[in-house]
Amino acid sequence: NAGVTQTPKFRVLKTGQSMTLLCAQDMNHEYMYWYRQDPGMGLRLIHYSVGEGTTAKGEVPDGYNVSRLKKQNFLLGLESAAPSQTSVYFCASSYGYLLYEQYFGPGTRLTVT
Amino acid sequence: GQQLNQSPQSMFIQEGEDVSMNCTSSSIFNTWLWYKQDPGEGPVLLIALYKAGELTSNGRLTAQFGITRKDSFLNISASIPSDVGIYFCAGLNTGTASKLTFGTGTRLQVTL
Repeated sequence: NAGVTQTPKFRVLKTGQSMTLLCAQDMNHEYMYWYRQDPGMGLRLIHYSVGEGTTAKGEVPDGYNVSRLKKQNFLLGLESAAPSQTSVYFCASSYGYLLYEQYFGPGTRLTVT
Repeated sequence: GQQLNQSPQSMFIQEGEDVSMNCTSSSIFNTWLWYKQDPGEGPVLLIALYKAGELTSNGRLTAQFGITRKDSFLNISASIPSDVGIYFCAGLNTGTASKLTFGTGTRLQVTL
């Protein structure tokens, strides 16, 4: 039981390049979330999903897109990376019914030059 | 977005001492969570609280859900060096897609 896994762990992009971050969970959780963490800003919600095939915007969605084609996977895309998107990205998941606590992945450290 | 107020912001303590930290909100929550984050890692869930007044323990950690539902407290007894890290509280209301509102964090450093 791996919990929440994220790939890749580290990535360096040039401005304008695109990439996809993959989050996978093996806990059969309904809800999944993408956050970014920046110094002094805490964790901020980018997008979330309350079930397969659904997505919704969080607090800071601009410049990102997401997809939840399978229940266990939640993808975060950057279509045209900008230096302001340099951050640590965390994925989380929760059961979403009766048990609401979120479990986090280990993070992806992204640098955009 | 809203952040919950956590205090203290940081603390240095000696190994073996007890630690207390708290988290306050201007809004009511029906669930409180406490996480610990080590450098370079994701937050790890320590304790979940679901009922006002609830007191829950996890080893040397004890957390309480405030009666007003606007605050929560975390105590660590007999601290050890591996307790070093940043502790976050988070509140959520069920029915809002379980979105978390995070605290500002308490950085704990333990000296031998």
